[in-house]
Amino acid sequence: NAGVTQTPKFQVLKTGQSMTLQCAQDMNHEYMSWYRQDPGMGLRLIHYSVGAGITDQGEVPNGYNVSRSTTEDFPLRLLSAAPSQTSVYFCASRGLAGGREQYFGPGTRLTVT
Amino acid sequence: AQKVTQAQTEISVVEKEDVTLDCVYETRDTTYYLFWYKQPPSGELVFLIRRNSFDEQNEISGRYSWNFQKSTSSFNFTITASQVVDSAVYFCALSEPTGANSKLTFGKGITLSVRP
Repeated sequence: NAGVTQTPKFQVLKTGQSMTLQCAQDMNHEYMSWYRQDPGMGLRLIHYSVGAGITDQGEVPNGYNVSRSTTEDFPLRLLSAAPSQTSVYFCASRGLAGGREQYFGPGTRLTVT
Repeated sequence: AQKVTQAQTEISVVEKEDVTLDCVYETRDTTYYLFWYKQPPSGELVFLIRRNSFDEQNEISGRYSWNFQKSTSSFNFTITASQVVDSAVYFCALSEPTGANSKLTFGKGITLSVRP
């Protein structure tokens, strides 16, 4: 099992550009989520999904879109990148039952100039 | 609303010292889950432990131990005889109990440096 994979590992964007961060898991987990990590802020939830076709907003959703067409994949789209979106992005997944631990991908370090 | 407070931001110890990382949480729910994650310098997040609110037994895993006290809303993590490889950022997290939609709320993390 590869677990949770993310691509790319690093990305530099110019302000206004768009891009998609990819996330895939091979554990057949229904729940998937995206977090951003900023210095001194811990991890904050951007969007999450409890299954294919179902997504919802987290704590900091503005500027990001998600979709979930398959159980395995949960891409995060930045529509028009801003310097405030410079961060490390983590994708995670878990089984659907409440209280299950989440397993995290290796992260994507994004810089917006 | 749920909240996790990790008041210590940075801790530095010398190898073989014991160190305790504090975690205090707030929730209105009677059923909830608590977690600790480790983030080593390589950046990945590693799951360490999960504890549900009905299980107040302390847990020990090798040099790691966890003390859960509902009376003080705390879930502290102790590393005994610390090693350089324990240097990392440690996050405490709290999960709502509500099944499929339950979300994880993280503390801001504690940076632990273990010096040789």
